[in-house]
Amino acid sequence: GDSVTQMEGPVTLSEEAFLTINCTYTATGYPSLFWYVQYPGEGLQLLLKATKADDKGSNKGFEATYRKETTSFHLEKGSVQVSDSAVYFCALSDRGGGGADGLTFGKGTHLIIQP
Amino acid sequence: GAVVSQHPSWVICKSGTSVKIECRSLDFQATTMFWYRQFPKQSLMLMATSNEGSKATYEQGVEKDKFLINHASLTLSTLTVTSAHPEDSSFYICSATPGQLNEQFFGPGTRLTVL
Repeated sequence: GDSVTQMEGPVTLSEEAFLTINCTYTATGYPSLFWYVQYPGEGLQLLLKATKADDKGSNKGFEATYRKETTSFHLEKGSVQVSDSAVYFCALSDRGGGGADGLTFGKGTHLIIQP
Repeated sequence: GAVVSQHPSWVICKSGTSVKIECRSLDFQATTMFWYRQFPKQSLMLMATSNEGSKATYEQGVEKDKFLINHASLTLSTLTVTSAHPEDSSFYICSATPGQLNEQFFGPGTRLTVL
């Protein structure tokens, strides 16, 4: 079955540091890939997505590129801020569409940014 | 933006009782709602998909007689955990989407503790 593997947390960085959160997947066909973010006390929010190979999703300074050859969708940001502290989930959908299908999630990575 | 609420946010119940969790889309009509379950430090696991006015589709391994899902209107879905036991203690999260080409919007989750 489908699965998503992402790096275990917590990940602690200083403000303005470079961020990478690794995510790899296994799936049949050509899944759509997503990054969600969950701030304390809030529901998951879509951060960015990519629906086909070599697509780059970007939002709020975060980027991730759909790499079919390495089955990866690593999340990056050039300079993190304290406000980026949250839990980040990598997810996939193999049923086509833009995300309006049941998702397979990774375990989540807790990111802590220190001032 | 699209808002999804859940009620209650936290519930404690005795073993053997039933608990109902509500999921509402506050500012859009949700043709499809999803229910996920999350164990501590684990990923969200899709339990079922429900479309308004039709029976829910359960994922493999999820007992449909144990977890009753009703999607009676375009803004409300309910999950009833029947005859709850301590192993049902978990974090239950719903999401909703206005359509196939749209993203899912997540509720903040409900923490269920069964004593």
